[in-house]
Amino acid sequence: DVKVTQSSRYLVKRTGEKVFLECVQDMDHENMFWYRQDPGLGLRLIYFSYDVKMKEKGDIPEGYSVSREKKERFSLILESASTNQTSMYLCASSLPGVPYEQYFGPGTRLTVT
Amino acid sequence: AQSVTQPDIHITVSEGASLELRCNYSYGATPYLFWYVQSPGQGLQLLLKYFSGDTLVQGIKGFEAEFKRSQSSFNLRKPSVHWSDAAEYFCAVVSSGSARQLTFGSGTQLTVLP
Repeated sequence: DVKVTQSSRYLVKRTGEKVFLECVQDMDHENMFWYRQDPGLGLRLIYFSYDVKMKEKGDIPEGYSVSREKKERFSLILESASTNQTSMYLCASSLPGVPYEQYFGPGTRLTVT
Repeated sequence: AQSVTQPDIHITVSEGASLELRCNYSYGATPYLFWYVQSPGQGLQLLLKYFSGDTLVQGIKGFEAEFKRSQSSFNLRKPSVHWSDAAEYFCAVVSSGSARQLTFGSGTQLTVLP
């Protein structure tokens, strides 16, 4: 089974802090994704990566950056956390031939105070 | 731009009753369509997908969905709901051109009464 793990299930940070959310997948998938999930808005794509050191902006990249130094790991970075970034963050991965069949991690619920 | 609408925010059904969750998409060409389920405290899991061919697709856990081009719909159905089906359900679409980005609906929360 594909396994996508996220470093924390719950995280509380202060406004202005730099926040790192880590995602690791164990199936050698080329594609990795970061979404945020908010009630009534569904999932919105922040960034995705289709190869090591490659990244593309999704629909809502403002206030975020990403890093992919190794194939199995995709990090989401909040350079200066703000309260409007309080949300559930979901990581996903997929094979290159079927990028839309994504496997999701359990999510990190981030609260910024 | 493609979009997905799930008109029902919350649906409640009794265990054993049938279920239909609605999904409407907006896209000019033939879309690729998906249903995902998110159980409490879990990530999303793919239930089923439609790319082409037979418009009635079968998925896991006894779910099926029917693609209706004339209605721009891809509704999810299950003949008899189990308590373990209580979850949030998301419809998603991807354009045949982009091949990378999924666009998700806002989700439908399903409550199952004993």
